[in-house]
Amino acid sequence: QVQLVESGGGVVQPGGSLRLSCAASGFTFSSYGMHWVRQTPGKGLEWVAFIRYDGNNKYYAEFVKGRFTISRDKSKNTLYLQMNSLRAEDTAVYYCAKGAAVAPYFFDYWGQGTLVTVSS
Amino acid sequence: DIQMTQSPSSLSASVGDRVTITCRASQGISNSLAWYQQKPGKAPKLLLYAASRLESGVPSRFSGSGSGTDYTLTISSLQPEDFATYYCQQYHSTPPITFGQGTRLEIK
Repeated sequence: QVQLVESGGGVVQPGGSLRLSCAASGFTFSSYGMHWVRQTPGKGLEWVAFIRYDGNNKYYAEFVKGRFTISRDKSKNTLYLQMNSLRAEDTAVYYCAKGAAVAPYFFDYWGQGTLVTVSS
Repeated sequence: DIQMTQSPSSLSASVGDRVTITCRASQGISNSLAWYQQKPGKAPKLLLYAASRLESGVPSRFSGSGSGTDYTLTISSLQPEDFATYYCQQYHSTPPITFGQGTRLEIK
């Protein structure tokens, strides 16, 4: 069965960096687009970034553009999110999500999430 | 960006009730709409996509309809496990992918 397991969350100071990982199993990782989505109590669900199945196209939400980088390693079946210049408003639970086969821009499987807290 | 507005924001209902949640897009999205259910402390779960197509394994009491800018999620007969928060999401014009603000369904 499909499994997505995030790791790498934690507490970081404003301006700091963090790298999230998402280990994928149960499907052919290299065949599907992948996303990061975050959730805050105040703003609900927010899409963060997408990477195409082959890694050749990447899209970002405006509020992370230039600060976050999505990447993937097909040899490790792992998705990453490098987060730099973190701000208090980036505090959220970050989910990795698999793009659906029918269309890559909705999500048929989600991980359990990893909490990122940006605070001094 | 396409804005998604859900109504109501919260809803109280009883087991066995028929419930409808509405999602309105700021422009037409050609049925490129998904619905998710989220329970506390858990990740969202896909219920429907393409506005009305039921995801595999989702009970048939869930249904979706709509066109253009207006869409609905209907639960025909509420079960105890259906009390959760529901989100709509458009994927017609991406990026960005956008979500509704959620509808919390509570037990009356």
